[in-house]
Amino acid sequence: NAGVTQTPKFQVLKTGQSMTLQCAQDMNHEYMSWYRQDPGMGLRLIHYSVGAGITDQGEVPNGYNVSRSTTEDFPLRLLSAAPSQTSVYFCASSPSRDSGNTIYFGEGSWLTVV
Amino acid sequence: DAKTTQPNSMESNEEEPVHLPCNHSTISGTDYIHWYRQLPSQGPEYVIHGLTSNVNNRMASLAIAEDRKSSTLILHRATLRDAAVYYCILRPNTGGFKTIFGAGTRLFVKA
Repeated sequence: NAGVTQTPKFQVLKTGQSMTLQCAQDMNHEYMSWYRQDPGMGLRLIHYSVGAGITDQGEVPNGYNVSRSTTEDFPLRLLSAAPSQTSVYFCASSPSRDSGNTIYFGEGSWLTVV
Repeated sequence: DAKTTQPNSMESNEEEPVHLPCNHSTISGTDYIHWYRQLPSQGPEYVIHGLTSNVNNRMASLAIAEDRKSSTLILHRATLRDAAVYYCILRPNTGGFKTIFGAGTRLFVKA
């Protein structure tokens, strides 16, 4: 049972480099989202998508781009990494627009920008 | 977006019940109340959710106030493995899924 799969699990970047965090889910969920979690802090919503071709900004979208070309995949792109983007990133998915449905999280991607 | 308020931290003794409070005074009529927990170095996991009535499952119970402006997650017998951050969130039924998490409550369990 794969669920929500994130890659890579760990990554070190130099300031100014670009990279993409991958997220895939095999549960045919409509809703997907990305959160970041700084040390000792809660989760902050970066971007979310309610279906293929539809994305929207969350609480902290600056410095990140997303796209949703398929139901399964929701990659998060850092165009020019900054030390302030050092964080743990979690991808999440949910089965439908019914708010009663639960959210499934990936195991996280630890990103360090030096 | 409706917000929730939780204490920063709580402490419990092992094998004793734990009541984790959450205030959501601006909740709308169609908002569901969800609880998730996050163990160290892991992603959050679902615990329980409800709309109006109290709910029970194998992990916990959820008590919802009659006016829905607050709720309480109840762990009936805390174990050391329950030490985690617990998040209370609202999931709106409209406007897509802009689900906002707060800082949560860090639960410490003493042996």
